[in-house]
Amino acid sequence: GESVGLHLPTLSVQEGDNSIINCAYSNSASDYFIWYKQESGKGPQFIIDIRSNMDKRQGQRVTVLLNKTVKHLSLQIAATQPGDSAVYFCAERSPRGATNKLIFGTGTLLAVQP
Amino acid sequence: NAGVTQTPKFRVLKTGQSMTLLCAQDMNHEYMYWYRQDPGMGLRLIHYSVGEGTTAKGEVPDGYNVSRLKKQNFLLGLESAAPSQTSVYFCASSYSGGGYEQYFGPGTRLTVT
Repeated sequence: GESVGLHLPTLSVQEGDNSIINCAYSNSASDYFIWYKQESGKGPQFIIDIRSNMDKRQGQRVTVLLNKTVKHLSLQIAATQPGDSAVYFCAERSPRGATNKLIFGTGTLLAVQP
Repeated sequence: NAGVTQTPKFRVLKTGQSMTLLCAQDMNHEYMYWYRQDPGMGLRLIHYSVGEGTTAKGEVPDGYNVSRLKKQNFLLGLESAAPSQTSVYFCASSYSGGGYEQYFGPGTRLTVT
């Protein structure tokens, strides 16, 4: 199996419940944030993003909330399904330079119990 | 579109051997990146490129070299592999302006014995 899930914080939820995954970011000047999903043995996949001039953004079954005061980002997944089981990463972009570099968090393992 | 592809998928090297990882993207992206992923440490940027013919160091560049001779390809080289380079390597690419989303390849699992 994929070793990336070892040593990570784990969130265990029942199928059908809502999930909330949290992330603290490091740079108060960061202007863009993104959530990625990484399934075992695969590369990260884009879920949703948000710019710093917004507090909330909704997608299909997912919502991202941004609290710039405390440098906190959260990902809410509605009606969690077994296919949502994965490691979830947040990433931030520092506006310095024009290289689109992202800084990634260490991730949270979401385990969906049937 | 294939998106971002990486070869090989798996590789085992002995200490001191060299190898090259190939990344290719068909989305006409300007920016490309190489990351390594180790348990509990998140993705760490090794090198990146903002266009054909350009490369720059990331967070953990030591022991690696890169080349971007063609816009669609980004090569990562290990000249003399060490056990500390055992990791999963991901390539990514992104547009040069507007959105900052990076698109990732499926990864290469490298073991150095």
